[in-house]
Amino acid sequence: DSGVTQTPKHLITATGQRVTLRCSPRSGDLSVYWYQQSLDQGLQFLIQYYNGEERAKGNILERFSAQQFPDLHSELNLSSLELGDSALYFCASSPPGNEQFFGPGTRLTVL
Amino acid sequence: GENVEQHPSTLSVQEGDSAVIKCTYSDSASNYFPWYKQELGKRPQLIIDIRSNVGEKKDQRIAVTLNKTAKHFSLHITETQPEDSAVYFCAARILNFGNEKLTFGTGTRLTIIP
Repeated sequence: DSGVTQTPKHLITATGQRVTLRCSPRSGDLSVYWYQQSLDQGLQFLIQYYNGEERAKGNILERFSAQQFPDLHSELNLSSLELGDSALYFCASSPPGNEQFFGPGTRLTVL
Repeated sequence: GENVEQHPSTLSVQEGDSAVIKCTYSDSASNYFPWYKQELGKRPQLIIDIRSNVGEKKDQRIAVTLNKTAKHFSLHITETQPEDSAVYFCAARILNFGNEKLTFGTGTRLTIIP
């Protein structure tokens, strides 16, 4: 157990819908990262927040948005969902300059 | 931005033999190189990492080497065991306080043949 929690574990929805994925970082970690992993693919960096502020952005679609709240938990919002958005979404957290600890992931299936 | 290439994409070795996975990176400013192991349907887990002021690091059967000049780094697993079967990802990062995006390689599926 990495100490990073993600909810829900599984999510099944239809095209065109909107979903919210939630992540709670390890106690004391200020940075939260979101990654997308499609079937048999690598990990694609989406976005990083540090203490509530956006710090780095990867190949995140305009239909996707994220935020980090004052209690440091983060949410990733995916809207106008398409079949190709089906993937595992991982959240990670880290203290500055150190390894990233990954959560168990949310498996999103878009039908 | 940073680009990380990883080879091979699949690797099968006999139990007890060694496995080597290689990665190259493009941004000379990258100074932190972790390796993650991911079992099917599970989260990636860090197995070893190296910083650019070090050329080699070992942890039991696992070692990582870094050649900054050539911008490549490698993972070495000796005396492989069936539980080493997994997908391995290399990554590169610039240790920049507060902005620490990891760029991952495409992964190597390692299969240990009993």
